[in-house]
Amino acid sequence: EDQVTQSPEALRLQEGESSSLNCSYTVSGLRGLFWYRQDPGKGPEFLFTLYSAGEEKEKERLKATLTKKESFLHITAPKPEDSATYLCAVQAPRNTDKLIFGTGTRLQVFP
Amino acid sequence: EPEVTQTPSHQVTQMGQEVILRCVPISNHLYFYWYRQILGQKVEFLVSFYNNEISEKSEIFDDQFSVERPDGSNFTLKIRSTKLEDSAMYFCASSGPPGVINYGYTFGSGTRLTVV
Repeated sequence: EDQVTQSPEALRLQEGESSSLNCSYTVSGLRGLFWYRQDPGKGPEFLFTLYSAGEEKEKERLKATLTKKESFLHITAPKPEDSATYLCAVQAPRNTDKLIFGTGTRLQVFP
Repeated sequence: EPEVTQTPSHQVTQMGQEVILRCVPISNHLYFYWYRQILGQKVEFLVSFYNNEISEKSEIFDDQFSVERPDGSNFTLKIRSTKLEDSAMYFCASSGPPGVINYGYTFGSGTRLTVV
């Protein structure tokens, strides 16, 4: 069964303290891995799509990487406004469009 | 930046009543989706819609659910007879065709459905 597991469930960081969030997946025929940011009471906000192992994408303080089994979201020198839940999702075999989400990592950044 | 618009933002309904959740996807997108998120749980796929028909649905999407694109801009989710367990945040999403740069699903802000 296709599965997405995110760790840690929650992460508290001091402003400026860099860290990484993990998303491990078991899926046959990965078509794409997505990272989203979700603020309380809001919809997921698209951050990145990664398609193949070795691929990296960056946006401001965020950098996403992908291997054959997992993806990391690296947060460099985070600020309080980076506080949110970060969701990982995968799109599996060719005959499906659906995204399979993990439970997310709730990030809190303190000044 | 283009966005997916959902209305209402919050709906309270009595058990057994019908509800219609509305969405306006991004205008040049071709694929439309409904997802839901029960409080504290994962975002779950409900249904995908392409070329005016359902392309895929989950086991959650049973006979009490239906989707429609009544005109060129709106996309609706109808729940015929609501149950307490239907209480959740419902998200509409849309996407362009694969291969578009930064291809990603755009989600709306959601409708919080509370069944009492």
